[in-house]
Amino acid sequence: EAGVTQSPTHLIKTRGQQATLRCSPISGHTSVYWYQQALGLGLQFLLWYDEGEERNRGNFPPRFSGRQFPNYSSELNVNALELEDSALYLCASRSRRAPYYEQYFGPGTRLTVT
Amino acid sequence: QQQVKQSPQSLIVQKGGISIINCAYENTAFDYFPWYQQFPGKGPALLIAIRPDVSEKKEGRFTISFNKSAKQFSLHIMDSQPGDSATYFCAASSGSARQLTFGSGTQLTVLP
Repeated sequence: EAGVTQSPTHLIKTRGQQATLRCSPISGHTSVYWYQQALGLGLQFLLWYDEGEERNRGNFPPRFSGRQFPNYSSELNVNALELEDSALYLCASRSRRAPYYEQYFGPGTRLTVT
Repeated sequence: QQQVKQSPQSLIVQKGGISIINCAYENTAFDYFPWYQQFPGKGPALLIAIRPDVSEKKEGRFTISFNKSAKQFSLHIMDSQPGDSATYFCAASSGSARQLTFGSGTQLTVLP
Protein backbone atom coordinates (compact mmCIF):
# COMPACT_ATOMS: atom_id res chain seq x y z
CA GLU A 1 0.00 0.00 0.00
CA ALA A 2 1.45 3.33 -1.05
CA GLY A 3 1.90 5.91 1.68
CA VAL A 4 1.12 9.60 1.67
CA THR A 5 3.00 11.39 -1.09
CA GLN A 6 3.85 15.07 -1.31
CA SER A 7 5.25 17.24 -4.07
CA PRO A 8 7.50 18.96 -4.62
CA THR A 9 10.18 17.77 -2.20
CA HIS A 10 11.78 21.17 -2.09
CA LEU A 11 10.45 24.58 -3.10
CA ILE A 12 12.35 27.85 -3.17
CA LYS A 13 10.40 31.09 -3.48
CA THR A 14 11.06 34.75 -2.94
CA ARG A 15 9.20 36.94 -0.50
CA GLY A 16 5.82 38.04 -1.81
CA GLN A 17 5.38 35.12 -4.20
CA GLN A 18 2.82 32.33 -3.93
CA ALA A 19 3.58 28.67 -3.19
CA THR A 20 1.47 25.63 -4.00
CA LEU A 21 2.12 22.33 -2.26
CA ARG A 22 0.40 19.07 -3.15
CA CYS A 23 -0.55 15.96 -1.22
CA SER A 24 -1.94 12.56 -2.20
CA PRO A 25 -3.43 10.60 0.72
CA ILE A 26 -3.33 6.87 1.27
CA SER A 27 -5.91 5.13 -0.89
CA GLY A 28 -9.23 5.02 0.95
CA HIS A 29 -8.39 7.85 3.32
CA THR A 30 -10.81 10.76 3.13
CA SER A 31 -9.26 13.22 5.58
CA VAL A 32 -6.18 15.31 4.85
CA TYR A 33 -4.35 17.44 7.39
CA TRP A 34 -1.67 20.05 6.82
CA TYR A 35 0.97 20.95 9.39
CA GLN A 36 3.84 23.40 9.49
CA GLN A 37 7.03 22.14 11.11
CA ALA A 38 9.34 25.03 11.84
CA LEU A 39 12.64 24.47 13.58
CA GLY A 40 12.20 23.97 17.31
CA LEU A 41 8.44 24.53 17.25
CA GLY A 42 7.12 21.04 16.67
CA LEU A 43 4.17 20.57 14.36
CA GLN A 44 1.66 23.38 14.12
CA PHE A 45 -1.79 22.42 12.82
CA LEU A 46 -2.75 24.36 9.70
CA LEU A 47 -5.82 22.89 8.02
CA TRP A 48 -8.07 19.85 7.98
CA TYR A 49 -10.06 18.75 4.93
CA ASP A 50 -12.58 15.96 4.89
CA GLU A 51 -14.86 14.89 2.05
CA GLY A 52 -13.89 17.99 0.09
CA GLU A 53 -14.74 20.46 2.84
CA GLU A 54 -12.54 22.50 5.16
CA ARG A 55 -13.42 21.21 8.64
CA ASN A 56 -11.00 23.11 10.84
CA ARG A 57 -8.08 25.51 10.62
CA GLY A 58 -5.30 26.40 13.01
CA ASN A 59 -4.12 29.80 14.14
CA PHE A 60 -2.66 30.90 10.80
CA PRO A 61 -3.49 33.96 8.67
CA PRO A 62 -5.92 33.69 5.73
CA ARG A 63 -3.06 33.74 3.22
CA PHE A 64 -2.71 30.06 4.11
CA SER A 65 -5.47 28.27 2.25
CA GLY A 66 -6.11 25.07 0.43
CA ARG A 67 -8.59 22.70 -1.01
CA GLN A 68 -9.40 19.04 -1.34
CA PHE A 69 -10.26 17.51 -4.68
CA PRO A 70 -12.88 14.81 -5.43
CA ASN A 71 -10.14 12.15 -5.41
CA TYR A 72 -9.26 13.34 -1.85
CA SER A 73 -5.89 14.77 -2.86
CA SER A 74 -5.21 18.22 -1.53
CA GLU A 75 -3.19 21.31 -2.15
CA LEU A 76 -1.97 23.99 0.21
CA ASN A 77 -1.55 27.52 -1.08
CA VAL A 78 0.49 30.14 0.68
CA ASN A 79 0.09 33.66 -0.69
CA ALA A 80 2.28 36.71 -0.13
CA LEU A 81 5.13 34.59 1.20
CA GLU A 82 7.09 35.88 4.17
CA LEU A 83 10.54 34.83 5.33
CA GLU A 84 9.07 33.17 8.42
CA ASP A 85 7.02 30.84 6.21
CA SER A 86 10.21 28.87 5.60
CA ALA A 87 9.52 25.46 7.10
CA LEU A 88 8.74 21.83 6.40
CA TYR A 89 5.10 21.42 5.44
CA LEU A 90 3.69 18.03 6.29
CA CYS A 91 0.55 16.44 4.99
CA ALA A 92 -1.20 13.61 6.81
CA SER A 93 -4.17 11.46 5.93
CA ARG A 94 -6.64 9.52 8.02
CA SER A 95 -9.24 6.89 7.37
CA ARG A 96 -12.84 7.84 8.06
CA ARG A 97 -13.15 5.14 10.72
CA ALA A 98 -9.85 5.82 12.45
CA PRO A 99 -9.52 7.94 15.61
CA TYR A 100 -8.39 11.51 15.11
CA TYR A 101 -4.90 10.83 16.41
CA GLU A 102 -4.24 8.03 13.91
CA GLN A 103 -2.74 10.08 11.11
CA TYR A 104 -0.27 8.94 8.47
CA PHE A 105 2.27 11.51 7.41
CA GLY A 106 4.04 12.14 4.15
CA PRO A 107 7.72 13.10 3.97
CA GLY A 108 6.94 16.79 3.64
CA THR A 109 7.76 19.70 1.35
CA ARG A 110 10.64 21.90 2.41
CA LEU A 111 9.69 25.50 1.58
CA THR A 112 12.44 28.09 1.61
CA VAL A 113 11.53 31.76 1.25
CA THR A 114 14.37 34.12 0.37
CA GLN B 1 -0.41 29.16 22.71
CA GLN B 2 1.46 25.95 23.40
CA GLN B 3 -0.90 23.53 25.08
CA VAL B 4 1.49 20.57 25.27
CA LYS B 5 4.92 21.15 26.79
CA GLN B 6 7.63 18.59 26.07
CA SER B 7 11.02 18.03 27.67
CA PRO B 8 13.90 17.58 27.28
CA GLN B 9 14.64 19.18 23.92
CA SER B 10 17.46 16.70 23.33
CA LEU B 11 18.52 13.49 25.02
CA ILE B 12 21.62 11.32 24.71
CA VAL B 13 21.48 7.79 26.05
CA GLN B 14 23.88 4.87 25.95
CA LYS B 15 22.84 1.69 24.17
CA GLY B 16 20.85 -0.48 26.55
CA GLY B 17 19.79 2.45 28.71
CA ILE B 18 16.33 3.86 29.40
CA SER B 19 15.18 6.94 27.51
CA ILE B 20 12.53 9.05 29.23
CA ILE B 21 10.64 11.91 27.58
CA ASN B 22 8.09 13.95 29.49
CA CYS B 23 5.06 15.97 28.45
CA ALA B 24 2.57 18.13 30.30
CA TYR B 25 -0.78 19.42 29.12
CA GLU B 26 -3.28 22.02 30.22
CA ASN B 27 -6.52 21.26 28.41
CA THR B 28 -8.55 18.65 30.29
CA ALA B 29 -10.67 18.12 27.17
CA PHE B 30 -7.89 16.14 25.52
CA ASP B 31 -9.05 12.56 25.10
CA TYR B 32 -6.08 10.68 23.61
CA PHE B 33 -2.35 11.10 24.03
CA PRO B 34 -0.28 9.66 21.16
CA TRP B 35 3.44 9.62 20.58
CA TYR B 36 4.98 10.00 17.15
CA GLN B 37 8.48 9.06 16.00
CA GLN B 38 10.22 10.94 13.19
CA PHE B 39 13.39 9.86 11.42
CA PRO B 40 15.39 12.38 9.36
CA GLY B 41 13.83 12.98 5.97
CA LYS B 42 10.61 11.21 6.94
CA GLY B 43 7.27 12.30 8.24
CA PRO B 44 6.26 11.43 11.81
CA ALA B 45 4.85 7.93 12.39
CA LEU B 46 2.43 6.93 15.13
CA LEU B 47 4.24 4.92 17.79
CA ILE B 48 1.80 4.37 20.63
CA ALA B 49 -1.23 6.10 22.17
CA ILE B 50 -3.00 6.09 25.52
CA ARG B 51 -6.42 7.12 26.87
CA PRO B 52 -6.62 9.28 30.02
CA ASP B 53 -8.40 6.51 31.98
CA VAL B 54 -5.37 4.21 31.62
CA SER B 55 -2.25 4.75 33.75
CA GLU B 56 0.17 2.78 31.64
CA LYS B 57 0.39 1.19 28.20
CA LYS B 58 3.23 -0.94 26.95
CA GLU B 59 4.11 -2.01 23.43
CA GLY B 60 7.37 -3.87 23.18
CA ARG B 61 10.15 -1.67 24.52
CA PHE B 62 7.93 1.44 24.48
CA THR B 63 5.78 2.37 27.51
CA ILE B 64 3.54 5.38 28.09
CA SER B 65 2.94 6.38 31.70
CA PHE B 66 0.00 8.69 32.35
CA ASN B 67 -0.71 10.80 35.44
CA LYS B 68 -4.14 12.37 35.04
CA SER B 69 -4.09 14.35 38.29
CA ALA B 70 -0.75 15.95 37.42
CA LYS B 71 -1.74 16.32 33.75
CA GLN B 72 1.51 14.72 32.70
CA PHE B 73 2.52 11.76 30.57
CA SER B 74 5.80 10.27 29.56
CA LEU B 75 7.39 7.87 27.10
CA HIS B 76 9.88 5.31 28.34
CA ILE B 77 12.08 3.44 25.86
CA MET B 78 13.62 0.42 27.53
CA ASP B 79 16.87 -1.12 26.30
CA SER B 80 17.40 1.83 23.95
CA GLN B 81 19.07 0.99 20.64
CA PRO B 82 20.93 3.17 18.10
CA GLY B 83 18.03 2.53 15.71
CA ASP B 84 15.78 4.38 18.16
CA SER B 85 17.68 7.60 17.41
CA ALA B 86 14.98 9.93 16.11
CA THR B 87 12.84 12.89 17.10
CA TYR B 88 9.91 12.02 19.32
CA PHE B 89 6.77 14.10 19.56
CA CYS B 90 4.09 13.80 22.18
CA ALA B 91 0.65 14.98 21.19
CA ALA B 92 -2.85 15.38 22.51
CA SER B 93 -6.04 14.75 20.62
CA SER B 94 -9.23 16.63 21.22
CA GLY B 95 -12.35 14.90 19.98
CA SER B 96 -14.36 18.08 20.11
CA ALA B 97 -11.79 20.16 18.22
CA ARG B 98 -10.92 17.12 16.09
CA GLN B 99 -7.25 17.96 15.87
CA LEU B 100 -3.86 17.02 17.25
CA THR B 101 -1.76 19.39 19.33
CA PHE B 102 1.91 18.47 19.28
CA GLY B 103 4.73 19.07 21.71
CA SER B 104 7.92 20.69 20.46
CA GLY B 105 9.81 17.41 20.06
CA THR B 106 12.76 15.62 21.65
CA GLN B 107 15.78 14.64 19.61
CA LEU B 108 16.99 11.30 20.97
CA THR B 109 20.47 10.02 20.24
CA VAL B 110 21.39 6.51 21.37
CA LEU B 111 25.12 5.96 21.40
CA PRO B 112 26.44 2.52 20.34
